[in-house]
Amino acid sequence: GDSVTQMEGPVTLSEEAFLTINCTYTATGYPSLFWYVQYPGEGLQLLLKATKADDKGSNKGFEATYRKETTSFHLEKGSVQVSDSAVYFCALSVQGAQKLVFGQGTRLTINP
Amino acid sequence: DAGITQSPRHKVTETGTPVTLRCHQTENHRYMYWYRQDPGHGLRLIHYSYGVKDTDKGEVSDGYSVSRSKTEDFLLTLESATSSQTSVYFCAISDDKARNQPQHFGDGTRLSIL
Repeated sequence: GDSVTQMEGPVTLSEEAFLTINCTYTATGYPSLFWYVQYPGEGLQLLLKATKADDKGSNKGFEATYRKETTSFHLEKGSVQVSDSAVYFCALSVQGAQKLVFGQGTRLTINP
Repeated sequence: DAGITQSPRHKVTETGTPVTLRCHQTENHRYMYWYRQDPGHGLRLIHYSYGVKDTDKGEVSDGYSVSRSKTEDFLLTLESATSSQTSVYFCAISDDKARNQPQHFGDGTRLSIL
């Protein structure tokens, strides 16, 4: 079946550090891939998405590239801020389906 | 922000009691979803709806039922709540105007079953 695996957290970094959160997937079709972010006490917000191989999604300084050959969609940011502290979820939606499959989430804490 | 309202936002109840959570949307989206969020599991789909009176099960549907009598409302019912259903519940919506549209989430309901 379809599944998403994220790097285990929690991840703690200093402000202005480089961030990578790994995400790999298994899918039977041709998935679209998403990163969602959840701030404390809130619901999930779409951060970025990519719908086909080699697409790069980007938003708020975050980037992720859809790598079909490695079935990966790693999230990166060049210089993190304290305000980026949140839980990040990788997810996939298989073509033709309207359901998302989520990874377990990675808690990120940025220290000043 | 997408117009999604979940109610109640917090609820504490006892084992064996019925509980109904409500999700209301103002976006006229076709699809609505209920998830539960638990540590180490991410979000898991309970049930979803693809139109009025059209619903289907997700991966963790046992012990839950849903109803959608209007486009804007999607209800999740725990007929007889158990402690294992203590969780944070999220409603989400999406439209079908294009393939693989992202889902938009409500702020969640924190449910505690004592």
